[in-house]
Amino acid sequence: GENVEQHPSTLSVQEGDSAVIKCTYSDSASNYFPWYKQELGKGPQLIIDIRSNVGEKKDQRIAVTLNKTAKHFSLHITETQPEDSAVYFCAASPPGLGNQFYFGTGTSLTVIP
Amino acid sequence: GAVVSQHPSRVICKSGTSVKIECRSLDFQATTMFWYRQFPKQSLMLMATSNEGSKATYEQGVEKDKFLINHASLTLSTLTVTSAHPEDSSFYICSASGLTGGEEKLFFGSGTQLSVL
Repeated sequence: GENVEQHPSTLSVQEGDSAVIKCTYSDSASNYFPWYKQELGKGPQLIIDIRSNVGEKKDQRIAVTLNKTAKHFSLHITETQPEDSAVYFCAASPPGLGNQFYFGTGTSLTVIP
Repeated sequence: GAVVSQHPSRVICKSGTSVKIECRSLDFQATTMFWYRQFPKQSLMLMATSNEGSKATYEQGVEKDKFLINHASLTLSTLTVTSAHPEDSSFYICSASGLTGGEEKLFFGSGTQLSVL
């Protein structure tokens, strides 16, 4: 089955700096890669996603890049703000409806004011 | 994005009682619903996968008689923790996958903090 690894497990950045979180996956059949933000005591929230037919996707201060050959994808947050502090999870999913999503172990991001 | 509603958000119960958690997809039909358990500062641990009208598929080590899952419709799944004990105290989260905007995506509920006394 699919195996998703996520690094780093913790990340601290100064407000205004950029943050990058990286994930690798093992199953070349996976074609959908969402990212989730989880605040304390809440469920994960989908913040951005990318499909394997695209190499990069951007939404305001967040962007995701995908390298299918190397089987890794990254989340980039620019101009970080304190409210970006949360745990971020990457995930990978193979094609087809109802398939399982495989999650990374999470990155705890702290943005220092 | 699509909305998945999970209730209750917090429940405190006595040992030996049963607790039911509801998960509803409000604006899309969920092909599949997933139930997770999450311990503090840890990742999501998949408990079971459920499809509408069929029996849930449980992950290894998850007791199906203890964690009863019902997926009665394309918009509703329930998790019942039967005869709860203090070791069942945890944060339980549901998620629903389905087509939104022509693409399949996965959305999470807000989670349920279960405390068993």
